[in-house]
Amino acid sequence: AQSVTQLGSHVSVSEGALVLLRCNYSSSVPPYLFWYVQYPNQGLQLLLKYTTGATLVKGINGFEAEFKKSETSFHLTKPSAHMSDAAEYFCAVSVNNDMRFGAGTRLTVKP
Amino acid sequence: KAGVTQTPRYLIKTRGQQVTLSCSPISGHRSVSWYQQTPGQGLQFLFEYFSETQRNKGNFPGRFSGRQFSNSRSEMNVSTLELGDSALYLCASSSEGNGGYTFGSGTRLTVV
Repeated sequence: AQSVTQLGSHVSVSEGALVLLRCNYSSSVPPYLFWYVQYPNQGLQLLLKYTTGATLVKGINGFEAEFKKSETSFHLTKPSAHMSDAAEYFCAVSVNNDMRFGAGTRLTVKP
Repeated sequence: KAGVTQTPRYLIKTRGQQVTLSCSPISGHRSVSWYQQTPGQGLQFLFEYFSETQRNKGNFPGRFSGRQFSNSRSEMNVSTLELGDSALYLCASSSEGNGGYTFGSGTRLTVV
């Protein structure tokens, strides 16, 4: 079955710094890839998704991710972190309607 | 348009009891998935329904079951509750059936 590995369970950045959250996937067929964000005591909110076409995907809140098939990666970036970006981020891979999530990366933003 | 609604938000049950959780998807969404979220195991896939049929199933024991109704609303049931079933149960719906899911706020189940 498909799977996702998120590198780093905790990432800490300063406000205004680059955010880079790493995600590698495993799939035997071309997958759909997603990034979700979760704030405390809430469900998950879709940030962006890759299905087909352009490999650089732009999402909400200034986030973007690039699908790199040769590296089986789908890293999430944001040029300048805001305090409001502090949350848990999940990368997910979906094949044939079966979506699997990574373990999550908790992002801390320091003032 | 209304989001995904999960009821109840919080639930406390005793070991050995059974529980039913409800999920109303976004209008027009026919795919509904369920996930269990715990600090130790993260987000684990339970099952996915599309047009009343279970299309995918995760690796959970038979005590966990679900169903979907003709209006796409879904329920999941856990019988013979164990302490380890304490978790946040998340429901998500999609019109595409292959990702881009919209999640509800979850039902937090505590088993005592």
